[in-house]
Formats: sequence, structure tokens, C-alpha cells
Amino acid sequence: GENVEQHPSTLSVQEGDSAVIKCTYSDSASNYFPWYKQELGKRPQLIIDIRSNVGEKKDQRIAVTLNKTAKHFSLHITETQPEDSAVYFCAASRNQAGTALIFGKGTTLSVSS
Amino acid sequence: EPEVTQTPSHQVTQMGQEVILRCVPISNHLYFYWYRQILGQKVEFLVSFYNNEISEKSEIFDDQFSVERPDGSNFTLKIRSTKLEDSAMYFCASREGGLVGNTIYFGEGSWLTVV
Repeated sequence: GENVEQHPSTLSVQEGDSAVIKCTYSDSASNYFPWYKQELGKRPQLIIDIRSNVGEKKDQRIAVTLNKTAKHFSLHITETQPEDSAVYFCAASRNQAGTALIFGKGTTLSVSS
Repeated sequence: EPEVTQTPSHQVTQMGQEVILRCVPISNHLYFYWYRQILGQKVEFLVSFYNNEISEKSEIFDDQFSVERPDGSNFTLKIRSTKLEDSAMYFCASREGGLVGNTIYFGEGSWLTVV
């Protein structure tokens, strides 16, 4: 089955700096890669996703890149703000009805002002 | 915006007791999921459900677990005989359908404490 590795486990940045979180996946058939943000005690919330026919996607300060050959994808947050502080999870899934979304172990991002 | 709703938000149960966690997926969604998250750990897939049957399940989803869609709106997770290690946040999720690229929406979670 799919296995998703995520690094780093913790990341501390100064407000205004950029943050990068990296994930690798094992199943070459996976072709959907969402990123979720989870605040303490809350549900995971989708912040951005990318499909395998796209190499990069951007939404304001957030961007995701995908390298299918190397089987890795990354989340980039620019101009970080204290409210970006949360746990970020990457995930991967195959293109098949009902297929599980498999999550990485999460990255705790702390943005200090 | 439509939401996945879950009840109860928090339940404390004695080891060995049966627990039923309830979920109301978003109304036009066809795919339903249960995930769990042990405190401080990652979100783990338990089971997916489509067209009134299990589509996929993980190794965690053993004979102690079962899911059911008893009516047109509810989706339940039953743990037959709870163990201490079942203590976790359980998230229900749903997806509209079509290509796997459709967003999976999570409920607020049910925090289960087994004592």
C-alpha cells in the first residue's frame, strides 16, 4: 500500500520568512496530493491540492510542487504569519473510487513574530 | 457551507464496552470515510464506504470495528469491545464522487477516551 514520508517534523520560522515542507510517496499509481492544515483540537482542513498532470500550483502565499519521477511533492508558504502556525499534513491517493487518502506524519510549523 | 457533522464530540467509556460514533456526511456526497488520530500523531485511514459497502479498509480496521449506513443520512462506526489503545480522535469524512481529485471534507471529530 501507499506510504507517505514527511519532513521536517517541526519547523520554526520568523514572521515573513518562507517555510518548505517536503513529502515523498511510494505508490507510483498515486495521482492526487492534497495538503491539510490542522489547528490544535480542530479538524484537518484542505489548503491546497495538486494532481499528477500538473507540476506546480499556487494560491496566494501557498504553492505546491510535484515531481512524479522522483515521487515527491512540497508545500511552500511565503511571507509566513503567526496564524500560519499549525500542523500541516501531506497526503496521497490513487485515482480510484473510494481509495484511501494516506497521510504523512505531519509538520508542526511555528511562526514567531 | 455544508459540513460533515459528528456526534458525540467527546465520549468516555469503560474498556470492553461497545461504542458507536455517528456521522452525518454532506448530503450529496457518495463516499464516506473514517479516520482516527491518536493524540499528537498522524491521521490514520480506517475504512472507506461507497454504495452501502466497504471499498477499502486498513489493518487497523479489524473485526472489532464495523461501519453502517442505517438510513439515508447517518454513517456510523462501531467499536465492539473497546481497548485502551482505541483512545483517539475519530474523524468522519465524505467526498462528493467522480474523480478522486474531489475534496475530502472532514468532520470536527469525536474524541474517544477508553478508561
